[in-house]
Amino acid sequence: QKEVEQNSGPLSVPEGAIASLNCTYSDRGSQSFFWYRQYSGKSPELIMSIYSNGDKEDGRFTAQLNKASQYVSLLIRDSQPSDSATYLCAVNAASGGSYIPTFGRGTSLIVHP
Amino acid sequence: DAGITQSPRHKVTETGTPVTLRCHQTENHRYMYWYRQDPGHGLRLIHYSYGVKDTDKGEVSDGYSVSRSKTEDFLLTLESATSSQTSVYFCAISESPLGQGASYGYTFGSGTRLTVV
Repeated sequence: QKEVEQNSGPLSVPEGAIASLNCTYSDRGSQSFFWYRQYSGKSPELIMSIYSNGDKEDGRFTAQLNKASQYVSLLIRDSQPSDSATYLCAVNAASGGSYIPTFGRGTSLIVHP
Repeated sequence: DAGITQSPRHKVTETGTPVTLRCHQTENHRYMYWYRQDPGHGLRLIHYSYGVKDTDKGEVSDGYSVSRSKTEDFLLTLESATSSQTSVYFCAISESPLGQGASYGYTFGSGTRLTVV
């Protein structure tokens, strides 16, 4: 059973701070890693993807991957109240030849003014 | 959500009745997926399709069936709805089988909120 673990939160940070969201996974064969943002009552929206060890930056977002330690994280710099949402980690690993992602349960982020 | 629509958006149905949810895409993506999302469980895969008439089961497929007769449409049927199937259902599409170096991730539909009473 492939598992993806996230702290459910809520993680509360002040406006302008760095929010750090973490995700660990159990399957060492995992190859692709994604972060989705989901506002309350809305559908998940892809915000970052990462495949190689290290950091990947896109605007205020940085994804970090460490395959040896089996974790992936998302940093949000200069957090804004509009970043308040649930962040879902998704991890892909080959399963019988198909690549179906496993989702974590999500971390709720609250950015307060 | 651009290129992917789900219908209906909301539905209330009685226990024991059949229900069909529809997912329609205009992106011509080969891969389509049905998920359900419940508090405490996150997103769980019900069924997926990798082409017309090609489907496979996901993690929580019991009580559900799917059909894909055209690239653009993926139908999810609850043969005899039960209260445990009350949930929010999301359809998703992707350009490629995720994991094979793909950078696309999923695009999700807006969801269908289903209540079984």
